[in-house]
Amino acid sequence: GAGVSQSPSNKVTEKGKDVELRCDPISGHTALYWYRQRLGQGLEFLIYFQGNSAPDKSGLPSDRFSAERTGESVSTLTIQRTQQEDSAVYLCASSPVGTDTQYFGPGTRLTVL
Amino acid sequence: SQELEQSPQSLIVQEGKNLTINCTSSKTLYGLYWYKQKYGEGLIFLMMLQKGGEEKSHEKITAKLDEKKQQSSLHITASQPSHAGIYLCGADRSASKIIFGSGTRLSIRP
Repeated sequence: GAGVSQSPSNKVTEKGKDVELRCDPISGHTALYWYRQRLGQGLEFLIYFQGNSAPDKSGLPSDRFSAERTGESVSTLTIQRTQQEDSAVYLCASSPVGTDTQYFGPGTRLTVL
Repeated sequence: SQELEQSPQSLIVQEGKNLTINCTSSKTLYGLYWYKQKYGEGLIFLMMLQKGGEEKSHEKITAKLDEKKQQSSLHITASQPSHAGIYLCGADRSASKIIFGSGTRLSIRP
């Protein structure tokens, strides 16, 4: 079946521009996670959605970062006024209810010039 | 088949015992990462290994990368209930692709 998909796969933007990254989780998965991995570093947790509960935003690095998810469907991660340090691979993962196994998407490579 | 093979898939260990989890690749690893995951939480970054033969420790967890950079092991000494969770290895396959192992579920028996 279809796995987690993300778009775009690559995004190059200029400093100061806003970007929007999209994640399509596996159908029926209630949990959705966003991470980023900067060059030479491990994954950083950004935000976690679980069903209709309030999201865990504890990992968002600044107020320029926000994410939305409608129900148990698509999520978008928005970065406003991008900075060069935002350059990273942004990964999305989803989990079905009752399990903690995360299924990862292919990631979006964001490059801020 | 997975590009990164983890073993075992699950492990139940008596509290206080030592344990080892392995992560193996058929290709040279450039940047090998270990993560831990608890239910309802995001992945927690544990350690990153880059050089052949490298070994890093954090509290009671030690990770090693072999000289050929194709296998890594994660060793926990004197396991505690707080060590329970899923341990995941990850690697940089290219500049824009990150791959993960299938995970090892660790349970600690009191």
